[in-house]
Amino acid sequence: EAGVAQSPRYKIIEKRQSVAFWCNPISGHATLYWYQQILGQGPKLLIQFQNNGVVDDSQLPKDRFSAERLKGVDSTLKIQPAKLEDSAVYLCASSLGTGDTQYFGPGTRLTVL
Amino acid sequence: GESVGLHLPTLSVQEGDNSIINCAYSNSASDYFIWYKQESGKGPQFIIDIRSNMDKRQGQRVTVLLNKTVKHLSLQIAATQPGDSAVYFCAGVDNNNDMRFGAGTRLTVKP
Repeated sequence: EAGVAQSPRYKIIEKRQSVAFWCNPISGHATLYWYQQILGQGPKLLIQFQNNGVVDDSQLPKDRFSAERLKGVDSTLKIQPAKLEDSAVYLCASSLGTGDTQYFGPGTRLTVL
Repeated sequence: GESVGLHLPTLSVQEGDNSIINCAYSNSASDYFIWYKQESGKGPQFIIDIRSNMDKRQGQRVTVLLNKTVKHLSLQIAATQPGDSAVYFCAGVDNNNDMRFGAGTRLTVKP
């Protein structure tokens, strides 16, 4: 079974630039999550989708972060404009449904200079 | 909400010894807990979970113990191997199905 796919794996940008990350969940998984993991910390949930609807985006900095899952499968996370403190690994995870075991992708390491 | 933390940021063990990684939680309404293993450059990998109505659960070389009285859980790894070197996270899931991760413990296995 294919796992969660993410791209790119690494991205370096300058502050105030824009960046987008892509996630393809495990086939059949209705729930998709985006996490931010700052170096030395545990992952922090940014947003959770159930199919193409947002379940929880309370921790998403909406002035600069946005995410979508238009067809209920792939998802993109965008940061515009980026700040230095956005440097982190952005993890995508998926699960069969809400409350089920989450499976993580390899993450995208973002460096903002 | 859930607040999850770990007792030690690092743990070093000799190959072949048993490892014990501890975790404390604050929300007594948490429904279940999960241990994840994260190797360098990879996403967290599910190891084992335990429901709040259980005290112990065993997997292959791993055991999770849950003590609800003191709000503490631990991950025991038997016969630790070099491939077990990683950061281990505990995560708590509350009754809203929100999962919160602790900061992690880095396990180093010495040959």
